[in-house]
Amino acid sequence: AQKITQTQPGMFVQEKEAVTLDCTYDTSDQSYGLFWYKQPSSGEMIFLIYQGSYDEQNATEGRYSLNFQKARKSANLVISASQLGDSAMYFCAMREPFSGAGSYQLTFGKGTKLSVIP
Amino acid sequence: EAQVTQNPRYLITVTGKKLTVTCSQNMNHEYMSWYRQDPGLGLRQIYYSMNVEVTDKGDVPEGYKVSRKEKRNFPLILESPSPNQTSLYFCASSRGQSSGNTIYFGEGSWLTVV
Repeated sequence: AQKITQTQPGMFVQEKEAVTLDCTYDTSDQSYGLFWYKQPSSGEMIFLIYQGSYDEQNATEGRYSLNFQKARKSANLVISASQLGDSAMYFCAMREPFSGAGSYQLTFGKGTKLSVIP
Repeated sequence: EAQVTQNPRYLITVTGKKLTVTCSQNMNHEYMSWYRQDPGLGLRQIYYSMNVEVTDKGDVPEGYKVSRKEKRNFPLILESPSPNQTSLYFCASSRGQSSGNTIYFGEGSWLTVV
């Protein structure tokens, strides 16, 4: 089973509207972290937002918020007031204990391509 | 400015010609790692390092070597590159290795092996 599932290969949103990018995850660990990254066409990977498994409140960073539903194992990214510069690939990722190695592995979903329409 | 710096950003090389992609971070991070990104496969971890002189294999280590002689540097070495190593490579670092430590990425290195 995939660790991170992003079911939307592509999304369109009108400029200034809000959009939700879906992410579900699979883990049996109690302690894990969930991340969202943005990758514009230039290729760099930009950190957007983080949610810890023990955090009771949803994370927010400016126009980005994370809708964390632990029981459903979902961590959807909400972008409010979309801008043309938001057009990019968006990746959901999970960091969880890497069994036996004393380290934590970061696993990425396949990504969602967001296109903002003027 | 806190950053992870990779060089070169773009490289076309020939099969078998050894190359090194450098990675340096200025955040005094303990944990560093290398990923490759390929269409349809997402990002896959090549190697990681939990501290100086401590490195270990990720999911796709074949054909790569790394070293961690200094805390800030984590070069990726392709001893004998092959066309299937054509990819976008990312170096990343974080303060520690717990689940709550954010991982910061370099700008990526586009590598083509012909």
